[in-house]
Amino acid sequence: EADIYQTPRYLVIGTGKKITLECSQTMGHDKMYWYQQDPGMELHLIHYSYGVNSTEKGDLSSESTVSRIRTEHFPLTLESARPSHTSQYLCASSEFSLGSGANVLTFGAGSRLTVL
Amino acid sequence: AQSVSQHNHHVILSEAASLELGCNYSYGGTVNLFWYVQYPGQHLQLLLKYFSGDPLVKGIKGFEAEFIKSKFSFNLRKPSVQWSDTAEYFCAVSRDDKIIFGKGTRLHILP
Repeated sequence: EADIYQTPRYLVIGTGKKITLECSQTMGHDKMYWYQQDPGMELHLIHYSYGVNSTEKGDLSSESTVSRIRTEHFPLTLESARPSHTSQYLCASSEFSLGSGANVLTFGAGSRLTVL
Repeated sequence: AQSVSQHNHHVILSEAASLELGCNYSYGGTVNLFWYVQYPGQHLQLLLKYFSGDPLVKGIKGFEAEFIKSKFSFNLRKPSVQWSDTAEYFCAVSRDDKIIFGKGTRLHILP
């Protein structure tokens, strides 16, 4: 079944640690996204990719970095985690609709990060 | 700045009540509009979308939304809610390959 997977679902770590949040999709979508979501706030786009070797920063400045070496894989890395990075991170991929020119997002379950 | 505004952050209704959640956006020109829903413990998923044509669009589970271009609005409606509609609802606007979300409305249905 085509889907989008995120690991870990929950992570609690100490300040200064390096972490990588994994995201993989089996739908063959070219476009992938990372959103940051805090309770009661809108989803903020922090990174996106149009395809392999393409990465762009989103509207919300983030100290995280991403890579896209394979179509199906779009990991997000924090080199040195801080309490301000505590949040939920949502990965998504999109199917481009030729008829409308629009992207419909499919989301993963999210990775909830807590930095102590 | 371009934005998506959802007027109600938290709505509480009884079963069988009618629902309308407001959404306004500030983009000019052609946009694509979406409502996404997140049920407790589940992924965000698409509820309905508007690309073009009939401004009244129907989605899953009896939801519908009306695009009113002159008001820059895309309000979500359901005539009679059920307890299972308890969830968080996000309005989103797509333009130029970016998809911008509102802050979400948390809907709580009392049995």
